[in-house]
Order: sequence, then structure tokens, then C-alpha cells
Amino acid sequence: ETGVTQTPRHLVMGMTNKKSLKCEQHLGHNAMYWYKQSAKKPLELMFVYNFKEQTENNSVPSRFSPECPNSSHLFLHLHTLQPEDSALYLCASSQSGNPNYGYTFGSGTRLTVV
Amino acid sequence: LAKTTQPISMDSYEGQEVNITCSHNNIATNDYITWYQQFPSQGPRFIIQGYKTKVTNEVASLFIPADRKSSTLSLPRVSLSDTAVYYCLVGARNTPLVFGKGTRLSVIA
Repeated sequence: ETGVTQTPRHLVMGMTNKKSLKCEQHLGHNAMYWYKQSAKKPLELMFVYNFKEQTENNSVPSRFSPECPNSSHLFLHLHTLQPEDSALYLCASSQSGNPNYGYTFGSGTRLTVV
Repeated sequence: LAKTTQPISMDSYEGQEVNITCSHNNIATNDYITWYQQFPSQGPRFIIQGYKTKVTNEVASLFIPADRKSSTLSLPRVSLSDTAVYYCLVGARNTPLVFGKGTRLSVIA
């Protein structure tokens, strides 16, 4: 347990489905992030939230919709995905202004789009 | 953001010291150097961070020369469980982490 919990661990969804990924951090951090890791590719930064406000959207398609209701929770809402969206989706958190211990990542959600 | 270059892969025997070098020729004054470790199907885990000279913790050491254009992560006496991908990242604090391809370390018995 890293202090960042992601659910579900695995998800299979059809291209017409709507699903949500959930991330919860118990570390008192004030910044949260979504990353995507496709097979044999580096981690790609998707979204950044600081103090619940989205501060970065790395040209992510609108079929991915983030939500940060409070500094402890982060969601990624998915709809009409494509097979190429299959990947490991990782959530991370950090403390702005005190990054001495870097980012803490969750274990990820392995998403398969069929 | 400063670009980093590190070997794609490395092999080592158990019990040996492993040194992974990362080049970051255009590192900026405000940039820190941070290393992460990632096992398959898991999120990366913070290993160590430094700005200059040498930093050591219970897991690894980080050597940074005076010009800061490179850095070396040193893992003492590796075991099979150290087989993972190691990422070198350079950036200012409070800027989002941007990952490269990392170095795939394989530890052999």
C-alpha cells in the first residue's frame, strides 16, 4: 500500500461503455496527476490538478474527462474509448512546495478496450 | 524541460554494484535530478533526488558532478528483486514529471 489507492485494478470495457477510474490519496498531498502508460512507451502525463484546480491538460482527447472533487480524490471518466486507449492508467500525488519525496504513484488500473 | 539520455538496458549479476548514468546536458539552474524505479504493472516508486554532489539514502546513492550535466545512480549489491526499469528525470520542483524511456535493469542469478 503506497498511500495512493486506485480502483479498479483491472477494467475491460466496450467502445460504447462509460466507466470511471478512481484514485484516492491518504497522504495529505495537494497535487494529483493522471498518467497513461501504453505498452513499450514512456509514461505520458495526461492531467494535473493543484489544490483541486486543473492546471494542465496535455492535449488529451475529450473522451477522457477528469474530475477532482477534493484534494484527496481524483477520477477519470471514460466514454466512447478506442482500442488504442488500452493501457495502464496511473494516478500520482505530491505535495507542492515540498517535493522532497517526489511523487507517490498508485498501482494503476489496467484498462482494456474491446 | 531538460532532456535526459540513459542506456536502454543493462544486465548485472546478483551482488554486484550497478551504476546507471544519465546525461542531461541542458539542465537548468532550478532543475533537480530525480530517479524512479518501476516494476511491471506497477506505478513508479521514488528512489532518490539531488541537486549537486552526492546524495545517499538507504536504497541508493546519487552522484552529480560539478557541471551537473550528468548523474549516476548507484545501487549497491543488487538482488533479483532490483530487476526493474529505472527513470532519470530532470526538472524544477513543482513542475510535472515528464518520463523518458528509462533503463531496463536485469539482474541475473
